[in-house]
Amino acid sequence: DAEITQSPRHKITETGRQVTLACHQTWNHNNMFWYRQDLGHGLRLIHYSYGVHDTNKGEVSDGYSVSRSNTEDLPLTLESAASSQTSVYFCASSGHRNTGELFFGEGSRLTVL
Amino acid sequence: LAKTTQPISMDSYEGQEVNITCSHNNIATNDYITWYQQFPSQGPRFIIQGYKTKVTNEVASLFIPADRKSSTLSLPRVSLSDTAVYYCLVGYTGGGNKLTFGTGTQLKVEL
Repeated sequence: DAEITQSPRHKITETGRQVTLACHQTWNHNNMFWYRQDLGHGLRLIHYSYGVHDTNKGEVSDGYSVSRSNTEDLPLTLESAASSQTSVYFCASSGHRNTGELFFGEGSRLTVL
Repeated sequence: LAKTTQPISMDSYEGQEVNITCSHNNIATNDYITWYQQFPSQGPRFIIQGYKTKVTNEVASLFIPADRKSSTLSLPRVSLSDTAVYYCLVGYTGGGNKLTFGTGTQLKVEL
């Protein structure tokens, strides 16, 4: 079955380190999204991509970057991790642009000490 | 942005019907209304989507009035396994930065 997978599922890092969270989907979806989820804030959009070499900033993009070199992957990079970036990160994909239906991964819990 | 407002929490008992309402006063013409369910330590899971009037699938119904400024997710005969957080999302994937979720409704189902 097609799926969307995130790795690592759990990571602890130190302030200032670079961290990359991987997202891989096998649906061949053009549209991919990264969210962070924090208590009291729901899910907030970090970055999104509508296809290879396309990336766009979301609501809370400061301190994060993404790259899209192929259809299947959208890695999220924290250039210099900060304690405020301790969160659960979810990747999602969609096969269409005129829909609200997203398929989510299982999440990556990141702790920045 | 189509900001959404939902109740923070709701309680129910097994076998009852649960209705969760979402308010979205500034919904745009191209926006869909989509509901998700999320269990602890899992990603949100799509439940149902609509644009106007009523939509029903095997797990839920979605009621949308003509002005589309609100929507109601209806879960018939809930069970303990329906205890989860429910999110209303107003927008569409092509709308990019508009596709942001609200804070969700924690539904607790008891015996």
